[in-house]
Amino acid sequence: DAGVTQSPTHLIKTRGQHVTLRCSPISGHKSVSWYQQVLGQGPQFIFQYYEKEERGRGNFPDRFSARQFPNYSSELNVNALLLGDSALYLCASSLNRQERSNEQFFGPGTRLTVL
Amino acid sequence: GNSVTQMEGPVTLSEEAFLTINCTYTATGYPSLFWYVQYPGEGLQLLLKATKADDKGSNKGFEATYRKETTSFHLEKGSVQVSDSAVYFCALSDRGGFKTIFGAGTRLFVKA
Repeated sequence: DAGVTQSPTHLIKTRGQHVTLRCSPISGHKSVSWYQQVLGQGPQFIFQYYEKEERGRGNFPDRFSARQFPNYSSELNVNALLLGDSALYLCASSLNRQERSNEQFFGPGTRLTVL
Repeated sequence: GNSVTQMEGPVTLSEEAFLTINCTYTATGYPSLFWYVQYPGEGLQLLLKATKADDKGSNKGFEATYRKETTSFHLEKGSVQVSDSAVYFCALSDRGGFKTIFGAGTRLFVKA
């Protein structure tokens, strides 16, 4: 079975532009979470989606938005890019959101560079 | 709010040395605790977990015990190998299960 996949692998944008990152969860997983990992730091929680609804949001500005589709894939959108948005964006899937002991399976990430 | 603090790295050890990476947490209620590992060029993967006080998670020779009285979840391994060189992240998942909070990570280098 395929693991969590993310696209694109790398992306270079300029300040003020917007970006869309995509994630496909493991087959059968209904929950998708997004994280931002700045170089040298741990992942920071951005969103969790379960059954196409937002179930959790981290401390990120409204420029960040996401959605989950009927096939449980997800998109993360970032508008009005800032230099500080340069990071590795990780997607993680899990079976459901209701178990705090759920293991999350992470994708390889999308490396976003904002110039 | 909930948070995770882990020892700063890098940690450099010789092969077969004993490893301890300290992790403490702040949380309301009874979170689940995790150690994730990121090998060079690879994605994050779960190493071990514990879901309640006094539980011991173990995998690949690594162990960590959920200590509620000291709010700690220290990672240990009796004899490290060069292949253990990676970045290790301590993390917790809150009661709702929808938000995982990670520590800053500890980079481990193991020399032959």
